[in-house]
Amino acid sequence: EIVLTQSPGTLSLSPGERATLSCRASQSVTSRSLAWYQQKPGQAPRLLIYGASSRATGIPDRFSGSGSGTDFTLTISRLEPEDFAVYYCQQYGSSPSTFGQGTKLEIK
Amino acid sequence: VQLEQSGAEVKKPGATVKISCKASGHSISDFYIHWVLQAPGKGLEWMGRVDPEEGETKYAEKFQGRVIITADTSIDTVSMELNSLRFEDTAVYYCARSRWLLEGPFDDWGQGTLVTVYS
Repeated sequence: EIVLTQSPGTLSLSPGERATLSCRASQSVTSRSLAWYQQKPGQAPRLLIYGASSRATGIPDRFSGSGSGTDFTLTISRLEPEDFAVYYCQQYGSSPSTFGQGTKLEIK
Repeated sequence: VQLEQSGAEVKKPGATVKISCKASGHSISDFYIHWVLQAPGKGLEWMGRVDPEEGETKYAEKFQGRVIITADTSIDTVSMELNSLRFEDTAVYYCARSRWLLEGPFDDWGQGTLVTVYS
């Protein structure tokens, strides 16, 4: 199975700053089948990005995804207070679908 | 599409738990329904999924033989049964949907069902 490694484990930033989250795969991800989710405490994950770079419905344009092959990035251009949460990447191009271990984005 | 899951469960080791996930606003036949678990303080882990239209299932190797996912299209409900429960199965279990014939992404999620394995 494809192992996804996210870095950093924790990212401490202030509102208004730019956040860059990384997701590295142990093998090439088929057809850019890479998604990013946001999860807040006590809530289900929410889809942000799919196909490595397409924003899901209703997701603000400060969220963007990029990458291909084994290296992917989620960028939040200007952090809003509601963006502080845990972020997971997922690959769904190869079975089984797998998730990264998550990056916690916390307020500095 | 809204996915509504059944309520929290407390089970003893060795028991079986069955959780349901009902879709509203759309027929489940148009989706794949997946199950994902999240142990306390941990990340997300895919368990398996069902194609409600065809009845076909796919399971993660780790849960093969212990999990059964079924669908009833007449009531737009998918169920996940996990048997031989262990303490380490204590987790929140989510159902989620992807578009039919696609293994992802997971566009919508249920609210989660907490299963506690406790003796």
